[in-house]
Amino acid sequence: DVKVTQSSRYLVKRTGEKVFLECVQDMDHENMFWYRQDPGLGLRLIYFSYDVKMKEKGDIPEGYSVSREKKERFSLILESASTNQTSMYLCASIRNTEAFFGQGTRLTVV
Amino acid sequence: AQKVTQAQTEISVVEKEDVTLDCVYETRDTTYYLFWYKQPPSGELVFLIRRNSFDEQNEISGRYSWNFQKSTSSFNFTITASQVVDSAVYFCALSEEKNAGNMLTFGGGTRLMVKP
Repeated sequence: DVKVTQSSRYLVKRTGEKVFLECVQDMDHENMFWYRQDPGLGLRLIYFSYDVKMKEKGDIPEGYSVSREKKERFSLILESASTNQTSMYLCASIRNTEAFFGQGTRLTVV
Repeated sequence: AQKVTQAQTEISVVEKEDVTLDCVYETRDTTYYLFWYKQPPSGELVFLIRRNSFDEQNEISGRYSWNFQKSTSSFNFTITASQVVDSAVYFCALSEEKNAGNMLTFGGGTRLMVKP
């Protein structure tokens, strides 16, 4: 019954490292999203993709990039991790207002 | 631009009390969708309800009820006879028709603690 899977539940990385967060969905959805969740700020949209090789910036794209080489996989990349990117990251796959979320990746940058 | 505000950051109640979580939204679209999600300690968001802007009927599902009022741009969520298992973070979200309903804007969330 798994629909959206994020590769890691917890990650600890060092400042300056390149970090990849992977998200895979098995519903053949075109639309995939990366959100960042911080206390009191809710979920903020980082990047989204409406199709393979397409990407659009969300509200807080600075310091992030994404890759969508295959329909089912949407990767979030931190080019050079910084401590202010310590957060919970949630991937979502959405079609016709119905959203499915991954279990989240809690990233700590030290 | 669309915006969702959940003014209550934390609410603490004792089991069996009723509790209402507030949600106020802003949008220029006439067609939009409103949502509530629950995030238990496990972290995964659980879908609770979706409402479109043309349906202002209140909805009840067991102990949960939702009050949608376009006149005040509010979509409030009430839990009746709260239980410890209701402890979670609750998010209200909005999606506009112009995005084909495929992009969600979230409020800041309300952490609900139900004490035994």
